[in-house]
Amino acid sequence: EPEVTQTPSHQVTQMGQEVILRCVPISNHLYFYWYRQILGQKVEFLVSFYNNEISEKSEIFDDQFSVERPDGSNFTLKIRSTKLEDSAMYFCASAADSKNIQYFGAGTRLSVL
Amino acid sequence: GENVEQHPSTLSVQEGDSAVIKCTYSDSASNYFPWYKQELGKRPQLIIDIRSNVGEKKDQRIAVTLNKTAKHFSLHITETQPEDSAVYFCAANTGTASKLTFGTGTRLQVTL
Repeated sequence: EPEVTQTPSHQVTQMGQEVILRCVPISNHLYFYWYRQILGQKVEFLVSFYNNEISEKSEIFDDQFSVERPDGSNFTLKIRSTKLEDSAMYFCASAADSKNIQYFGAGTRLSVL
Repeated sequence: GENVEQHPSTLSVQEGDSAVIKCTYSDSASNYFPWYKQELGKRPQLIIDIRSNVGEKKDQRIAVTLNKTAKHFSLHITETQPEDSAVYFCAANTGTASKLTFGTGTRLQVTL
């Protein structure tokens, strides 16, 4: 069964550093999403991406965050200057269309020290 | 924006008993309601979903019901087993790209 893959599984960084989280969505999927989950809390929407542009973003997704689909397979989330409160599990998800099931990757645990 | 509330936050049942988790949503435009199971340190896994054009859906021991008028939906697990122990999240979609708004989760523990 096809899966969404995310790398790295764990990223440790110093406050103020830039990080790039990588995702390979399921091929032939058209909608891509990033969510985050702070330890012990619910999953929160960050951003959705379709047709090479952001469809929607949440209040969390401020100008420190950006997304990119640099080629036909990767979908990245960049945090320019990490803060302690950015520490969380970041999940990528993809869907064949907006009415379809969203499949989640295994996540990247980001630890900001 | 959409707000999804979920109850209870924790639920402990004995093996073989049924478990019910309830969610309410606020956006009447939401039309897709998935349920995800998340084991510790793992990704959310879709276990069942329901669309607004049906009132109930069943898959073996798992069922979901939807009341559009009242804006609530529920997950029912029958004949619970220890491997059902996990955190369960309900969600509702909104927006043109159908982002998911999640509930706060229910930690289900099935005891022997």
